Amino acid sequence: GAVVSQHPSWVICKSGTSVKIECRSLDFQATTMFWYRQFPKQSLMLMATSNEGSKATYEQGVEKDKFLINHASLTLSTLTVTSAHPEDSSFYICSASYYGYTFGSGTRLTVV
Amino acid sequence: AQSVTQPDIHITVSEGASLELRCNYSYGATPYLFWYVQSPGQGLQLLLKYFSGDTLVQGIKGFEAEFKRSQSSFNLRKPSVHWSDAAEYFCAVGVHGNTPLVFGKGTRLSVIA
Repeated sequence: GAVVSQHPSWVICKSGTSVKIECRSLDFQATTMFWYRQFPKQSLMLMATSNEGSKATYEQGVEKDKFLINHASLTLSTLTVTSAHPEDSSFYICSASYYGYTFGSGTRLTVV
Repeated sequence: AQSVTQPDIHITVSEGASLELRCNYSYGATPYLFWYVQSPGQGLQLLLKYFSGDTLVQGIKGFEAEFKRSQSSFNLRKPSVHWSDAAEYFCAVGVHGNTPLVFGKGTRLSVIA
């Protein structure tokens, strides 16, 4: 139980385009989900906390207009990287809490 | 705010040798404590967690961790390391389900023959 599915696993996009990453809780309802970013050989940095039915809470330094988070249902949160640039290339991971924390498998974003 | 320190950036052990990865946390109360493992290009896999109760926690893949309140530590151990254990290990701290985990910087484990 407590599975979080994240899609896509990897994506390559052109600079200036937008990319949407989905995070679904498959067998539980997640009122809160978390989005992390991980640079190569570094730890996970919290980007934002996503709450169902309300606006996401962004960490200091994270551009909310660039990283749009939508948590429209109890099982789905999405992260949209708008007008992506090469410096947005990274590994993005979502997480939901259900008797512990469950992580998605991550999305490798490469912006060319 | 809580914080997590993993003092060892990189550790190399011989296959079959014992392993201990250190983790210290800073928080006013007893937080929830976790150890995750990440292979290159992969997501996170939960090794074990501590919420309360017995301070020695058994996890998957033969790992265990011991919570020591007096030292604010939650060190990960394995008696005999296998080559497949080579990966990045993250210690993390949480307060409750609606707050995010805070991660240490990670310890990279290399295993040599």
